[in-house]
Amino acid sequence: DIQMTQSPSSVSASVGDRVTITCRASQGIGSWLAWYQQKPGKAPKLLIYAASSLQSGVPSRFSGSGSGTDFTLTVSSLQPEDFATYYCQQGSSFPRTFGQGTKVESK
Amino acid sequence: QVQLVQSGTEVKQPGASVKVSCKASGYTFTSYDINWVRLATGQGLEWMGWMNPNSGNTGYAQKFQGRVTMTRNTSMSTAYMELSSLRSEDTAVYYCARDGNSWSRYDHWGQGTLVTVSS
Repeated sequence: DIQMTQSPSSVSASVGDRVTITCRASQGIGSWLAWYQQKPGKAPKLLIYAASSLQSGVPSRFSGSGSGTDFTLTVSSLQPEDFATYYCQQGSSFPRTFGQGTKVESK
Repeated sequence: QVQLVQSGTEVKQPGASVKVSCKASGYTFTSYDINWVRLATGQGLEWMGWMNPNSGNTGYAQKFQGRVTMTRNTSMSTAYMELSSLRSEDTAVYYCARDGNSWSRYDHWGQGTLVTVSS
């Protein structure tokens, strides 16, 4: 199985901050990477797919980059509604696997 | 609009089985794979498996092999996930998610079904 490792596991930030989350795959996955946002009691929401493609309706302050084994999700200017847990997920091979999550908290 | 609506909260005893439904609307049910993902308290998202609603083909995570069965009723546009031999560690919120057909992206999700396993 491909292991997905996110860092950090949590980050404290303020509104307006630039926030960067990293995801590393245990083997190369090309661009088969998606990012999701999840808020308590809600279903995950797709933000980014194919490593850098913005899902329709997602604000442009979210961006993704990377390929192979190293990927990044960036929120350019954190908004109040962005405090949540973020997960990466590889779609290169079965079983699909998620990172352990990164919680973005208010400083 | 695309919607996935799941069945309600379940409380089960250890050793029992649970069957969660996921009713799709707003798109052609047989054109998109359905995946199942769960979230246990204090844990991260865990992928359980997928099903092609057109063929009925399935694929399961090794962890759940032998305990999980994914099926569908195409006339009702509904997917099902049955998990047997429940144990306390299976207490979680279970989600169905539509695979958007390119890049293995889960573009629409059900609202989640809480399954509690307790004696």
